[in-house]
Amino acid sequence: EVQLLESGGGLVQPGGSLRLSCAASGFTLSNYAMSWVRQAPGKGLEWVSAVSGSGGNTYYADSVKGRFTISRDNSKNTLYLRMNSLRAEDTAVYYCAKCIGPEGICYFQHWGQGTLVTVSS
Amino acid sequence: EKVMTQSPATLSVSPGERATLSCRASQSVSSYLAWYQQKPGQAPRLLIYGASTRATGIPARFSGSGSGTEFTLTISSLQSEDFAVYYCQQYNNWPPTFGQGTKVEIK
Repeated sequence: EVQLLESGGGLVQPGGSLRLSCAASGFTLSNYAMSWVRQAPGKGLEWVSAVSGSGGNTYYADSVKGRFTISRDNSKNTLYLRMNSLRAEDTAVYYCAKCIGPEGICYFQHWGQGTLVTVSS
Repeated sequence: EKVMTQSPATLSVSPGERATLSCRASQSVSSYLAWYQQKPGQAPRLLIYGASTRATGIPARFSGSGSGTEFTLTISSLQSEDFAVYYCQQYNNWPPTFGQGTKVEIK
């Protein structure tokens, strides 16, 4: 059974940093591209970032480019999102989501339960 | 960036009735269109991909149609567990983009 478990969310001040993790199980992580998708309170879904199965290709939404870094450690079956220079508008539940293959843009076959990031002073 | 527009924002339907949800793309996305269902406090669940293919375990009352810029999700006979928010998502071009959602509520 595919399982994705996010962690690392919490309360952080504007301008601060946070690193999210997503522990994957039930499949071979290196065979799949992975994404982070966020949802602000009461709002819709927004794709944030993606990384290919090998980690060689990364993609970012314009809203986070230059501030967020996606990475993965396939040996640890874990996906990461390093978030710097956080803003109030980054407040959201962050989901990790599994793609259907190792490369390219895709739909999301499996989702984690999400971790809440709150940016506030 | 391809903008996805869903309508209506809210759909009030009685149990057992049919629900028809629309999703329009600002430019053609071919058939690279997925639908998700999200209930309060839960992660989204994949319903449909490739515009019309049901994901594993999705009941046959859910069906998707369309191509290019116009897409439809139909729920043939609404069950109590179907009241939720539904999102479409294009995966034809970077970045992947979602519609703003349609809330299906009990009439």
